[in-house]
Amino acid sequence: DAGVTQSPTHLIKTRGQQVTLRCSPKSGHDTVSWYQQALGQGPQFIFQYYEEEERQRGNFPDRFSGHQFPNYSSELNVNALLLGDSALYLCASRVTQGYSGANVLTFGAGSRLTVL
Amino acid sequence: AQTVTQSQPEMSVQEAETVTLSCTYDTSESDYYLFWYKQPPSRQMILVIRQEAYKQQNATENRFSVNFQKAAKSFSLKISDSQLGDAAMYFCASGRGAGGTSYGKLTFGQGTILTVHP
Repeated sequence: DAGVTQSPTHLIKTRGQQVTLRCSPKSGHDTVSWYQQALGQGPQFIFQYYEEEERQRGNFPDRFSGHQFPNYSSELNVNALLLGDSALYLCASRVTQGYSGANVLTFGAGSRLTVL
Repeated sequence: AQTVTQSQPEMSVQEAETVTLSCTYDTSESDYYLFWYKQPPSRQMILVIRQEAYKQQNATENRFSVNFQKAAKSFSLKISDSQLGDAAMYFCASGRGAGGTSYGKLTFGQGTILTVHP
């Protein structure tokens, strides 16, 4: 049973560029959340997607956008990259309804973004 | 809004000994959940244990147990019989318990690096 898979694992961009990160949720999961984890810090919630719509959003600027596809996979897009966007980006998935473990997130191994 | 504070940046323990990691939180929610996640060098967050705030009984998972003090807003993790594989960054996290799409947004602490000495 495949868990949450993310791609790419590492990437390097320069300031001002745009980046797209991808996430495939765990089999049977329908909701995807994205987190940003700066070096040595705890993850910060970016947003959550369910039924192809953004349902919740953290304190991140509009440069951060996302998408969820009918197969529940998701993309995180970041425009006009800043040096401060360098971080590990984690994707997490879960089942939304009708399950006592619906609040348990399964995380991927993340995409390490370096902005030069 | 929720906040989570881990005041121990680093902890160490001898193999087979017991260690306790501290966490305090603040929330305006009446229904919430608390979690401990482990992040090894592989970077993948692994759920260690979870606690529903409405349950008075402390959660346990094998060698891992929590001391949940709701009035004090404290949620510590005890690791018994520590093993070398327990070495990792440990994060305390909280989330709303209102159900549905309110889940999925967790607030994390800053983390505690646990070193296990053989």
